[in-house]
Amino acid sequence: DAGVIQSPRHEVTEMGQEVTLRCKPISGHNSLFWYRQTMMRGLELLIYFNNNVPIDDSGMPEDRFSAKMPNASFSTLKIQPSEPRDSAVYFCASTLRGGLDTQYFGPGTRLTVL
Amino acid sequence: GQQVMQIPQYQHVQEGEDFTTYCNSSTTLSNIQWYKQRPGGHPVFLIQLVKSGEVKKQKRLTFQFGEAKKNSSLHITATQTTDVGTYFCAEEYGNKLVFGAGTILRVKS
Repeated sequence: DAGVIQSPRHEVTEMGQEVTLRCKPISGHNSLFWYRQTMMRGLELLIYFNNNVPIDDSGMPEDRFSAKMPNASFSTLKIQPSEPRDSAVYFCASTLRGGLDTQYFGPGTRLTVL
Repeated sequence: GQQVMQIPQYQHVQEGEDFTTYCNSSTTLSNIQWYKQRPGGHPVFLIQLVKSGEVKKQKRLTFQFGEAKKNSSLHITATQTTDVGTYFCAEEYGNKLVFGAGTILRVKS
């Protein structure tokens, strides 16, 4: 299996621009997670989907952030408009069953907002 | 919300020395997971502990779950340069995992 796939691996954009991050979970996994990692705040869960349905979005920072999972093999995390404080590494992870199972992380997207 | 306390934040050891990181919870846990993240990499699952007092070993790594299931430790015997990275514990909070802040391990050769 290819593991969790994320794109792009690096993104540099200017403040105010829209950013879309993409994730393909491991085939057969029914849960998908978006995390943000920074030095100051560590690894934070942003949102969690189960069977393509958002279960917990309490970690989404504000309305500028949105996430979708239109089918079992694809999810997006969108930031519009982006701000410099959004600069971080964004990880997608999937599990075979539910939020408490072993998490398989993708390689991450390093986002820099200038 | 629930916070996983992990100590120390950072440790720099000489190659060959031992290393231990600890996770402490304010509540009784049903289980705990440990992950390792190499510099520039992504977190990778190491192990899950479920039973009170459980001890599991993976080569030079020893994982322990406290008798009261409120704390856990990861001990590395005779560290090597390949052990560098950040070690996270993760505990259940409702229907999801919450990760500790991690312990950064640096190894001097």
